[in-house]
Parts: sequence; structure tokens; C-alpha cells
Amino acid sequence: SVLLYQKPNRDICQSGTSLKIQCVADSQVVSMFWYQQFQEQSLMLMATANEGSEATYESGFTKDKFPISRPNLTFSTLTVNNARPGDSSIYFCSCAGQGDSDYTFGSGTRLLVI
Amino acid sequence: QQQVRQSPQSLTVWEGETAILNCSYENSAFDYFPWYQQFPGEGPALLISILSVSDKKEDGRFTIFFNKREKKLSLHIADSQPGDSATYFCAASAPQGGRALIFGTGTTVSVSP
Repeated sequence: SVLLYQKPNRDICQSGTSLKIQCVADSQVVSMFWYQQFQEQSLMLMATANEGSEATYESGFTKDKFPISRPNLTFSTLTVNNARPGDSSIYFCSCAGQGDSDYTFGSGTRLLVI
Repeated sequence: QQQVRQSPQSLTVWEGETAILNCSYENSAFDYFPWYQQFPGEGPALLISILSVSDKKEDGRFTIFFNKREKKLSLHIADSQPGDSATYFCAASAPQGGRALIFGTGTTVSVSP
């Protein structure tokens, strides 16, 4: 199955600044997904990113706040703009593998905004 | 976005008992249902999954029962062990929307020795 490498593993940033999270796949994947998980809560789907097109955002998430790029079939970045303490959570990238039932998750980025 | 719901929110069982976790969904287009196990500080790990064409899937101590008509499924953890103490998420995906997984609200299981 596909392996996803996510970085940074964790970061601390000041309120009002921006943070970029990278996700790299070891083989080409059609769709990449980004999730947000607050402590002791579920994973919330933020957006779906396909190569060469604008990401599709779920309700509650906007491209101004969380711009996502997908320049090729192995790479995606999630940016957190104007970070606020309420953005402090874990962000995961994910993808579906060859078979639709084969999903992979990155190791997650633990973000703390102070 | 809570198209997938789970109950109970938390569950405590004794070692050796069977833990039963429930899941329900709204979207009739969902056709793939994985269950994930997550320990604190880690990412979700696939435990077992089922396709909507089946009504039961077994893998060792873990069994999924699926009722398509009622849009419900359950995960049974037989002979529960303290190492099974974790949060379990039911998830679902549909052929549309790139097959993104929609996660349920989660059930935290504690197994007492």
C-alpha cells in the first residue's frame, strides 16, 4: 500500500502567523485528503485535493483559512493561515490506495498555536 | 458533517467480555465501512472493514455485523483484553467525492483486568 510522509511532526506557532504542512506519497495517488482532529474527538474531513484543480472543502473549512495545494500526484501541502489557538489540533493527510478500500494516513502534525 | 454516528460514547468491559460498539449512517451511497483503532498520541490504524454487499465480516476476535436496510453496523470485540483499550472509529466512504472517508464520533473502550 501507499506510504505517506508528513512533516513537520509537531510545531508551535504564534497567533496570526501561518504554518505549512507537507504530505508526500511514495507513489502516485489520485486524491489526497486532509483531516483535523481535536484532542479526544473524531477526525473531521477538511478537504479533498486532486492534482491540478482546486481542493474541495467541507463545510466549516475555507480555502482562505486552509489553502491546499496539489501540484502533482505525490505531493500536497496544507497551510494554516492566520493561526489561532482554536486551530491547535492534529492534522492528518490521507489517501486511498489502488483498491478503494485501502487507505493510508500520514503520521500527523500536532500544531499548537500560542 | 456527522453523517456517521456511534454509540456509546464510552464503554467499560471486563477482560474476557465482548465489547459491542454501534454505528449508524445516513448516506445510502456509503458502500465501504472500515473500523479504526486509535491510541492516544497515534494516528488511526485500520482494524477491520466491510463492504455493503456483505452482512458479516470476521477477523480473529473482531466481527462486524452490517444491516444495510437499517443503515446500521456494529463491531464486536470478543474476549476483550486490556490492550484493546483505545478509541474506535467507524468510518464510511462512497464512490463519489474521491472516496473520502467520513469518520464517526468515536467510542472509547476501557477494558478492566
